[in-house]
Amino acid sequence: GAGVSQSPSNKVTEKGKDVELRCDPISGHTALYWYRQSLGQGLEFLIYFQGNSAPDKSGLPSDRFSAERTGGSVSTLTIQRTQQEDSAVYLCASSANLGVDNEQFFGPGTRLTVL
Amino acid sequence: ELKVEQNPLFLSMQEGKNYTIYCNYSTTSDRLYWYRQDPGKSLESLFVLLSNGAVKQEGRLMASLDTKARLSTLHITAAVHDLSATYFCAVAPDVDDMRFGAGTRLTVKP
Repeated sequence: GAGVSQSPSNKVTEKGKDVELRCDPISGHTALYWYRQSLGQGLEFLIYFQGNSAPDKSGLPSDRFSAERTGGSVSTLTIQRTQQEDSAVYLCASSANLGVDNEQFFGPGTRLTVL
Repeated sequence: ELKVEQNPLFLSMQEGKNYTIYCNYSTTSDRLYWYRQDPGKSLESLFVLLSNGAVKQEGRLMASLDTKARLSTLHITAAVHDLSATYFCAVAPDVDDMRFGAGTRLTVKP
């Protein structure tokens, strides 16, 4: 079956430009998560959606970052006025969130490079 | 603040040897996850541990959880080159709060 998909797989942009990253979760998964992984580092939690709502946006690094999810499915992470420190791999995960284990399944990531 | 600490961060071992990776965390959680990440790839779920004393095994990897000590271990038995990867533990005290360790980069040499 189809897993979590993300697009684009790679994005190179100039400093100051806006970028939009897309995540398509596993069909039927109600929970969706965004993480950022800088080179050689662990994962930094950004935001979580349950359905279309994001109860807690405090993980977003700055007000240049925003995320939305519509129809309980696809989510977009938007970074405005990109900075070089935004360069990282952005990972999306989804979960059925039906039971105790809440196992998350990760997409392949979008590698963002800000020049 | 929840902290998740893995050690070692780098591990080089020879094929056929055994070793253990440790994951300590700083707050109460009954859910602990182990993931594997190959270079340039995404994360692959290895184990989900949900209760004190839980032990799971898959091939040469075995994970355990001690919630009282706030410690999980990932034991590698008779390592082979294919196990070379970065291994992450993660703790989820709440459904919307998953924190990852920094990862252990494992290299298995012939």
